[in-house]
Amino acid sequence: GNSVTQMEGPVTLSEEAFLTINCTYTATGYPSLFWYVQYPGEGLQLLLKATKADDKGSNKGFEATYRKETTSFHLEKGSVQVSDSAVYFCAPRGGGSGGYNKLIFGAGTRLAVHP
Amino acid sequence: DTGVSQDPRHKITKRGQNVTFRCDPISEHNRLYWYRQTLGQGPEFLTYFQNEAQLEKSRLLSDRFSAERPKGSFSTLEIQRTEQGDSAMYLCASSFAGSSNTGELFFGEGSRLTVL
Repeated sequence: GNSVTQMEGPVTLSEEAFLTINCTYTATGYPSLFWYVQYPGEGLQLLLKATKADDKGSNKGFEATYRKETTSFHLEKGSVQVSDSAVYFCAPRGGGSGGYNKLIFGAGTRLAVHP
Repeated sequence: DTGVSQDPRHKITKRGQNVTFRCDPISEHNRLYWYRQTLGQGPEFLTYFQNEAQLEKSRLLSDRFSAERPKGSFSTLEIQRTEQGDSAMYLCASSFAGSSNTGELFFGEGSRLTVL
């Protein structure tokens, strides 16, 4: 089945700094790719998604581009805010013998933004 | 609120006891998922249903775990003879399987289990 590796945290940045969180995956075919975010004390929320190669997902100033050549889906934001402090999860759609109808989550990357 | 709801939000139990969690998905969603999340880790897939049929179960789901979705609406996850290693957040998610489905899951806030 599909699997995902994402950058270990915590990532600590000052407000207005540039953010990159790396995510690479192994997959059969070209699965849809997702980034989810978990704010303190809240449930998982979809941040953005891309459904095919070269698609760029974007939301709340975050972007990620589906790169099939490098099997990557890195998350970026040009200027982070304190309110972006959360845990970010990269998640390709499952596949292989395990079935395609689920998401496979990375271990998560904690982001802490300081004023 | 028409999101995914889970009950109870927090359950503390003694080792060896049985616990049951309930999930109510978004009403028009026909797929329902259970995941488990331990501290510092990402959610791990346990099982999913399409309507009332349980279509996939992870090897993580030991025989002490059972999930049901009898009428294709709400679901229950029961853990029998709980062990301290079962302590985790149990997440429920739902989605709609259709031609426009991209695989996005909508999550509830989770049920936290603490086994003493």
